[in-house]
Amino acid sequence: QSALTQPASVSGSPGQSITISCTATRSDILYYNYVSWYQQHPGKAPKLMIYAVSNRPSGVSNRFSGSKSGNTASLTISGLQAEDEADYYCSSHTASSTFFGTGTKVTVL
Amino acid sequence: QVQLVQSGAEVRKPGASVKVSCKASGFTLSNEYIHWVRQAPGQGLEWMGVVNPNGGSTGFAQKSQGRVTVTRDTSTSAVYMELTSLTSEDTALYYCATSFLSQDGFNIWGQGTMVTVSS
Repeated sequence: QSALTQPASVSGSPGQSITISCTATRSDILYYNYVSWYQQHPGKAPKLMIYAVSNRPSGVSNRFSGSKSGNTASLTISGLQAEDEADYYCSSHTASSTFFGTGTKVTVL
Repeated sequence: QVQLVQSGAEVRKPGASVKVSCKASGFTLSNEYIHWVRQAPGQGLEWMGVVNPNGGSTGFAQKSQGRVTVTRDTSTSAVYMELTSLTSEDTALYYCATSFLSQDGFNIWGQGTMVTVSS
């Protein structure tokens, strides 16, 4: 069983907003504000989209936002675009280990 | 340009070992924690382990422990990940990654090294 659980798939139409959840199965994960989100297109390396729960690296669209409440973190993509179709992974870490979520395939209808 | 560059694809037989290298371009590798992440075909990301900047301390996922070694070579400015006792389940794309000038998250990834384990 993965330490971070995500829905297998989420879909939306262009212009809509979608939210991907990331739920920790252990109380020590997501306890601190170490939550990052990655976008991965087929055949490409993952790309950091959000770090430290809600911060965007330089160059990442402000359509991407992150939040956390209790043992669940969320990634929201607003104004969905065709280029957002990809796999998304959440991640968090403790003092000794890093964990990735199970991954969510985002489909733009 | 800041990037991580990994060694090329490898093919090994079951029971063998493989060593993958990761070098930095545009920054000093020796100052950074270097993580290893793998992705089996069609599967998700799996963290394997990390080596700290001075190479003296490493951490590994429970699944990898005992079979994976991560080392630094200052003479070649590279980090190496060696995986032993390979099985078909180790067939995957192996990435090195780091948080460069960032408080959290892996913002620099290597291009990935495909390791295929097949008899």
